[in-house]
Amino acid sequence: DAKTTQPNSMESNEEEPVHLPCNHSTISGTDYIHWYRQLPSQGPEYVIHGLTSNVNNRMASLAIAEDRKSSTLILHRATLRDAAVYYCILGEMANTGNQFYFGTGTSLTVIP
Amino acid sequence: DAMVIQNPRYQVTQFGKPVTLSCSQTLNHNVMYWYQQKSSQAPKLLFHYYDKDFNNEADTPDNFQSRRPNTSFCFLDIRSPGLGDAAMYLCATSRGQIDEKLFFGSGTQLSVL
Repeated sequence: DAKTTQPNSMESNEEEPVHLPCNHSTISGTDYIHWYRQLPSQGPEYVIHGLTSNVNNRMASLAIAEDRKSSTLILHRATLRDAAVYYCILGEMANTGNQFYFGTGTSLTVIP
Repeated sequence: DAMVIQNPRYQVTQFGKPVTLSCSQTLNHNVMYWYQQKSSQAPKLLFHYYDKDFNNEADTPDNFQSRRPNTSFCFLDIRSPGLGDAAMYLCATSRGQIDEKLFFGSGTQLSVL
Protein backbone atom coordinates (compact mmCIF):
# COMPACT_ATOMS: atom_id res chain seq x y z
CA ASP A 1 0.00 0.00 0.00
CA ALA A 2 1.07 3.64 0.55
CA LYS A 3 4.85 3.69 0.41
CA THR A 4 5.45 7.41 0.38
CA THR A 5 5.55 9.96 3.17
CA GLN A 6 4.95 13.66 2.74
CA PRO A 7 4.39 16.63 5.05
CA ASN A 8 0.70 17.17 5.70
CA SER A 9 0.74 20.81 4.69
CA MET A 10 2.95 23.57 3.34
CA GLU A 11 2.58 27.25 2.61
CA SER A 12 4.13 29.38 -0.06
CA ASN A 13 3.95 32.99 -1.09
CA GLU A 14 2.62 33.73 -4.54
CA GLU A 15 5.30 33.90 -7.25
CA GLU A 16 7.84 32.20 -4.99
CA PRO A 17 9.31 28.77 -5.75
CA VAL A 18 7.89 25.80 -3.85
CA HIS A 19 9.74 22.61 -2.99
CA LEU A 20 7.48 19.72 -2.00
CA PRO A 21 9.41 16.79 -0.51
CA CYS A 22 8.58 13.10 -0.59
CA ASN A 23 10.26 10.10 1.02
CA HIS A 24 10.01 6.65 -0.53
CA SER A 25 12.71 4.66 1.21
CA THR A 26 11.35 1.25 0.12
CA ILE A 27 11.24 2.08 -3.59
CA SER A 28 12.23 -0.76 -5.88
CA GLY A 29 14.45 -0.43 -8.92
CA THR A 30 11.59 -0.38 -11.42
CA ASP A 31 9.16 1.90 -9.57
CA TYR A 32 8.47 5.23 -11.20
CA ILE A 33 7.94 8.29 -9.03
CA HIS A 34 4.73 10.12 -9.92
CA TRP A 35 3.21 13.37 -8.73
CA TYR A 36 -0.45 14.26 -9.04
CA ARG A 37 -2.41 17.16 -7.65
CA GLN A 38 -6.04 17.44 -6.70
CA LEU A 39 -8.24 20.48 -6.47
CA PRO A 40 -11.36 20.32 -4.28
CA SER A 41 -14.17 18.20 -5.74
CA GLN A 42 -12.07 17.20 -8.77
CA GLY A 43 -10.19 14.12 -9.82
CA PRO A 44 -6.40 14.10 -9.43
CA GLU A 45 -4.41 15.68 -12.24
CA TYR A 46 -1.06 14.41 -13.51
CA VAL A 47 1.88 16.71 -12.79
CA ILE A 48 5.09 14.86 -13.58
CA HIS A 49 6.86 11.51 -13.25
CA GLY A 50 10.35 10.07 -13.54
CA LEU A 51 12.59 7.09 -12.83
CA THR A 52 16.12 8.23 -12.08
CA SER A 53 16.98 11.47 -13.79
CA ASN A 54 15.56 14.86 -12.98
CA VAL A 55 12.57 15.73 -15.14
CA ASN A 56 11.11 19.01 -16.33
CA ASN A 57 7.83 19.87 -17.99
CA ARG A 58 5.71 22.96 -18.39
CA MET A 59 4.07 22.46 -14.99
CA ALA A 60 6.97 21.58 -12.72
CA SER A 61 10.34 19.95 -12.19
CA LEU A 62 11.06 16.70 -10.42
CA ALA A 63 14.36 16.26 -8.61
CA ILE A 64 15.15 12.64 -7.71
CA ALA A 65 17.81 11.79 -5.16
CA GLU A 66 20.70 9.68 -6.38
CA ASP A 67 19.65 6.75 -4.17
CA ARG A 68 16.02 7.29 -5.28
CA LYS A 69 14.77 7.17 -1.70
CA SER A 70 13.43 10.69 -1.88
CA SER A 71 12.28 13.23 -4.43
CA THR A 72 11.20 16.84 -4.58
CA LEU A 73 8.53 18.43 -6.71
CA ILE A 74 9.48 21.98 -7.64
CA LEU A 75 6.95 24.57 -8.69
CA HIS A 76 9.07 27.40 -10.00
CA ARG A 77 6.61 30.23 -9.36
CA ALA A 78 3.58 29.41 -7.26
CA THR A 79 0.29 30.90 -8.34
CA LEU A 80 -3.04 30.86 -6.55
CA ARG A 81 -4.18 28.17 -8.98
CA ASP A 82 -1.44 25.88 -7.64
CA ALA A 83 -3.21 25.61 -4.29
CA ALA A 84 -4.11 21.92 -4.12
CA VAL A 85 -3.27 18.63 -2.45
CA TYR A 86 -0.11 17.18 -4.02
CA TYR A 87 0.35 13.42 -3.98
CA CYS A 88 3.63 11.61 -4.44
CA ILE A 89 2.98 8.07 -5.67
CA LEU A 90 5.06 5.11 -6.72
CA GLY A 91 4.04 3.46 -9.95
CA GLU A 92 4.64 -0.22 -9.23
CA MET A 93 4.80 -2.68 -12.05
CA ALA A 94 3.06 -6.00 -11.59
CA ASN A 95 1.93 -8.78 -13.90
CA THR A 96 -1.52 -7.25 -13.71
CA GLY A 97 -0.41 -3.84 -14.95
CA ASN A 98 1.06 -0.89 -13.12
CA GLN A 99 -0.46 -0.09 -9.76
CA PHE A 100 -0.58 3.22 -7.96
CA TYR A 101 -1.07 3.64 -4.22
CA PHE A 102 -1.61 7.13 -2.86
CA GLY A 103 0.10 8.45 0.24
CA THR A 104 -1.45 11.10 2.47
CA GLY A 105 -0.40 14.03 0.28
CA THR A 106 0.65 17.61 1.03
CA SER A 107 -1.94 20.36 1.11
CA LEU A 108 -0.32 23.42 -0.44
CA THR A 109 -1.60 26.86 0.49
CA VAL A 110 -0.50 29.78 -1.68
CA ILE A 111 -0.57 33.14 0.05
CA PRO A 112 -1.27 36.19 -2.13
CA ASP B 1 -12.11 16.49 -25.00
CA ALA B 2 -13.13 14.51 -21.94
CA MET B 3 -11.10 11.31 -21.95
CA VAL B 4 -12.30 9.58 -18.77
CA ILE B 5 -15.95 10.23 -18.13
CA GLN B 6 -17.80 9.38 -14.97
CA ASN B 7 -21.54 9.45 -14.61
CA PRO B 8 -23.33 10.67 -12.71
CA ARG B 9 -21.37 13.47 -11.07
CA TYR B 10 -23.50 13.15 -7.93
CA GLN B 11 -25.39 10.06 -6.85
CA VAL B 12 -27.73 9.68 -3.91
CA THR B 13 -28.83 6.26 -2.76
CA GLN B 14 -30.58 4.79 0.21
CA PHE B 15 -29.02 2.61 2.86
CA GLY B 16 -28.94 -0.95 1.51
CA LYS B 17 -30.14 -0.07 -1.99
CA PRO B 18 -27.80 -1.31 -4.72
CA VAL B 19 -26.12 1.37 -6.76
CA THR B 20 -23.97 1.35 -9.90
CA LEU B 21 -21.45 3.96 -10.90
CA SER B 22 -20.15 4.12 -14.44
CA CYS B 23 -16.92 5.08 -16.12
CA SER B 24 -16.06 5.30 -19.78
CA GLN B 25 -12.85 6.16 -21.59
CA THR B 26 -11.93 7.30 -25.08
CA LEU B 27 -8.22 6.54 -24.66
CA ASN B 28 -8.35 2.82 -25.46
CA HIS B 29 -6.27 2.13 -22.38
CA ASN B 30 -5.71 -1.39 -21.15
CA VAL B 31 -6.11 -0.71 -17.45
CA MET B 32 -9.04 0.80 -15.61
CA TYR B 33 -8.94 1.52 -11.87
CA TRP B 34 -11.49 2.35 -9.21
CA TYR B 35 -10.51 4.43 -6.21
CA GLN B 36 -12.55 5.39 -3.15
CA GLN B 37 -11.82 8.76 -1.57
CA LYS B 38 -13.46 9.70 1.69
CA SER B 39 -13.56 13.25 2.94
CA SER B 40 -10.10 14.72 3.61
CA GLN B 41 -8.41 11.39 2.84
CA ALA B 42 -6.22 10.16 -0.01
CA PRO B 43 -7.71 7.98 -2.75
CA LYS B 44 -7.70 4.29 -1.89
CA LEU B 45 -7.39 1.69 -4.62
CA LEU B 46 -10.33 -0.74 -4.61
CA PHE B 47 -9.53 -2.84 -7.69
CA HIS B 48 -8.44 -2.62 -11.29
CA TYR B 49 -8.89 -4.37 -14.59
CA TYR B 50 -6.02 -5.20 -16.91
CA ASP B 51 -7.97 -5.85 -20.08
CA LYS B 52 -10.53 -8.42 -18.89
CA ASP B 53 -8.52 -9.58 -15.89
CA PHE B 54 -9.97 -8.40 -12.60
CA ASN B 55 -7.59 -7.61 -9.74
CA ASN B 56 -9.05 -7.01 -6.32
CA GLU B 57 -7.19 -5.33 -3.47
CA ALA B 58 -7.00 -7.57 -0.43
CA ASP B 59 -8.85 -5.16 1.84
CA THR B 60 -11.67 -4.24 -0.53
CA PRO B 61 -14.99 -5.28 1.04
CA ASP B 62 -17.07 -7.92 -0.74
CA ASN B 63 -19.82 -5.33 -0.96
CA PHE B 64 -17.90 -3.75 -3.83
CA GLN B 65 -17.93 -5.42 -7.23
CA SER B 66 -16.89 -4.35 -10.69
CA ARG B 67 -17.66 -5.18 -14.30
CA ARG B 68 -15.85 -4.34 -17.50
CA PRO B 69 -17.97 -5.41 -20.45
CA ASN B 70 -15.60 -3.92 -23.02
CA THR B 71 -12.45 -1.79 -23.27
CA SER B 72 -14.31 1.49 -22.98
CA PHE B 73 -16.60 0.91 -20.03
CA CYS B 74 -16.17 -0.09 -16.42
CA PHE B 75 -18.78 -0.19 -13.66
CA LEU B 76 -18.59 -0.12 -9.89
CA ASP B 77 -21.43 -1.93 -8.15
CA ILE B 78 -22.11 -1.44 -4.46
CA ARG B 79 -24.47 -4.22 -3.48
CA SER B 80 -25.70 -2.90 -0.14
CA PRO B 81 -24.42 0.60 0.53
CA GLY B 82 -23.82 1.57 4.11
CA LEU B 83 -23.36 5.03 5.56
CA GLY B 84 -19.62 4.42 5.59
CA ASP B 85 -19.58 4.02 1.82
CA ALA B 86 -20.39 7.67 1.24
CA ALA B 87 -17.37 8.96 -0.64
CA MET B 88 -16.01 10.25 -3.92
CA TYR B 89 -15.42 7.37 -6.32
CA LEU B 90 -12.71 7.98 -8.87
CA CYS B 91 -12.13 6.09 -12.08
CA ALA B 92 -8.72 6.17 -13.72
CA THR B 93 -7.07 4.62 -16.75
CA SER B 94 -3.57 3.77 -17.87
CA ARG B 95 -1.94 2.05 -20.81
CA GLY B 96 -0.50 -0.41 -18.31
CA GLN B 97 3.14 -0.04 -19.22
CA ILE B 98 5.64 0.66 -16.51
CA ASP B 99 6.31 4.28 -17.40
CA GLU B 100 2.73 5.27 -18.08
CA LYS B 101 0.71 7.77 -16.08
CA LEU B 102 -2.84 7.76 -14.78
CA PHE B 103 -5.73 9.64 -16.32
CA PHE B 104 -8.58 10.41 -13.91
CA GLY B 105 -12.21 11.17 -14.35
CA SER B 106 -13.92 13.92 -12.38
CA GLY B 107 -15.37 11.42 -9.93
CA THR B 108 -18.83 10.52 -8.66
CA GLN B 109 -19.79 11.83 -5.24
CA LEU B 110 -21.93 9.19 -3.57
CA SER B 111 -24.27 10.05 -0.71
CA VAL B 112 -26.02 7.35 1.31
CA LEU B 113 -29.20 8.32 3.14
